Amino acid sequence: QVTLKESGPVLVKPTETLTLTCTVSGFSLSNARLGVSWIRQPPGKALEWLAHIFASDEKTYTTSLKSRLTISRDTSKSQVVLIMTNMDPLDTATYYCARIWDDSRRIDYWGQGTLVTVSS
Amino acid sequence: QTVVTQEPSLTVSPGGTVTLTCASSTGAVTSDYYPNWFQHKPGQPPRTLLYRTSNRQSWTPSRFSGSLLGGKAALTLSGVQPEDEADYYCLLYYGDGPVFGGGTKLTVL
Repeated sequence: QVTLKESGPVLVKPTETLTLTCTVSGFSLSNARLGVSWIRQPPGKALEWLAHIFASDEKTYTTSLKSRLTISRDTSKSQVVLIMTNMDPLDTATYYCARIWDDSRRIDYWGQGTLVTVSS
Repeated sequence: QTVVTQEPSLTVSPGGTVTLTCASSTGAVTSDYYPNWFQHKPGQPPRTLLYRTSNRQSWTPSRFSGSLLGGKAALTLSGVQPEDEADYYCLLYYGDGPVFGGGTKLTVL
């Protein structure tokens, strides 16, 4: 059974750094065909793709946030970590991780999401 | 910056048929953009419906179908059910990464 679960702080202050962890099960992060994406949704707004990482260590970031994002993976812990620096209230959103297939670029399984609020 | 455009809202009657579209600011959408379609209901994570234009996930009902139509990616719902009321998002892949559309709020009325 494939599952993904996001974890991290529910509240961060402006200018702080956010670290989110996606813990996966039911598949391996070293599987050459698979990767993990991070996607967010601010309240009342559309989904926004943030970044993805594949087993090849290929990493891609959304252009608008590239300078603030870092994605990495720890295969032994089955975890993918997203770091976002210099948080702003506009970054308040539900953050999701999802599994992606390298060949078809198919996103299939999603985590439940974690709401992060940025406020002083 | 690349923009992916969807109809903001559509209304359909139960049992009816509706088509949602997904356009790219860069020009015609082709299968090379690997269109994905997602259904999103309040309080739940998004659910993937289709990938690579027209391929259904194992859990996707057959009333959902995908195609390329007039230079856009399209999602057609045939025999709409009340439970299909939701937000629908497309995702297109570009050289520098994927981009979501703004979403279509589908009302079944």
